Amino acid sequence: QSALTQPASVSGSPGQSITISCIGTSSDVGAYNYVSWYLQHPGKAPKLLIFDVTSRPSGVSNRFSGSKSGNTASLTISGLQAADEGDYYCSSYTTRSTRVFGGGTKLTVL
Amino acid sequence: EVQLVESGGGLVKSGGSLRLSCAASGFTFSPYTMNWVRQAPGKGLEWVSSINGRSNYIYYADSVKGRFTVSRDNAKNSLYLQMNSLRAEDTAVYYCARDLAVAGRYFYGMDVWGQGTTVTASS
Repeated sequence: QSALTQPASVSGSPGQSITISCIGTSSDVGAYNYVSWYLQHPGKAPKLLIFDVTSRPSGVSNRFSGSKSGNTASLTISGLQAADEGDYYCSSYTTRSTRVFGGGTKLTVL
Repeated sequence: EVQLVESGGGLVKSGGSLRLSCAASGFTFSPYTMNWVRQAPGKGLEWVSSINGRSNYIYYADSVKGRFTVSRDNAKNSLYLQMNSLRAEDTAVYYCARDLAVAGRYFYGMDVWGQGTTVTASS
C-alpha cells in the first residue's frame, strides 16, 4: 500500500489559482471515482473539501474543485486566500477495499 | 452538535498494548462506516482501519494487520481500536473519522473527525 504521490509544496499569491496533483495507480485513483481531498491546519483535524473526485460537501467553498484523468487526480483552488494556507491531502479508495492517503502538500500563500 | 471524542492514548513500551475509544454524539451512529486514521509526528496522514455499521466489513492497512483490531458498540455509540505488539513506528496521533452520508447515501470521504489522541510507543 504505497502512499499516493503529491508535490511536497506549492505556493501562490492571493487571488491566483493553484493546482495540486495526486498520482496513484490503476488499483486506487484510476480504479474508481472515489478520490477525496482534505485540508489540515497546524494542530487541527483534517477537513473534507472534495469527495467522489468532484463533489463538495455542504459548506465548502466553490473555489475548491477536483478532477481526475487516468491515475492522476487534481485539486484546484481559485481566488487564493490567506486562510487556504495549510497541508492538503488526497485520498483514494482502493481495489482491496482499503483507503490510501497522499503524502501531503504544503500550500503557502505568498 | 455532531462530535467524535477519542480517548485512551498514552505512553506504552514497545511490545505493549493499548485500547483507544471514540465516543460519538449528535448523530445516529449505527449506519455509518467509521475509520481510524493516524499521523506520526511531523508526517502525513495514514489510514489505519475501517468498519461498517454492522461490523461485517472490516479492513486494515498492511502496517497494522494482525496487530490491531477495530470494533464498535452501536448501543454505546462507540468505536474502538485494540492495539497489540506496539512498535515505535506506531507512535502517532490517532483520529477517528466518520464516512460522509448525504440523503441516505454513503461515500468514501471522511466528513467528521475527532480531535485525536496521542499514542507513544517507546522502548
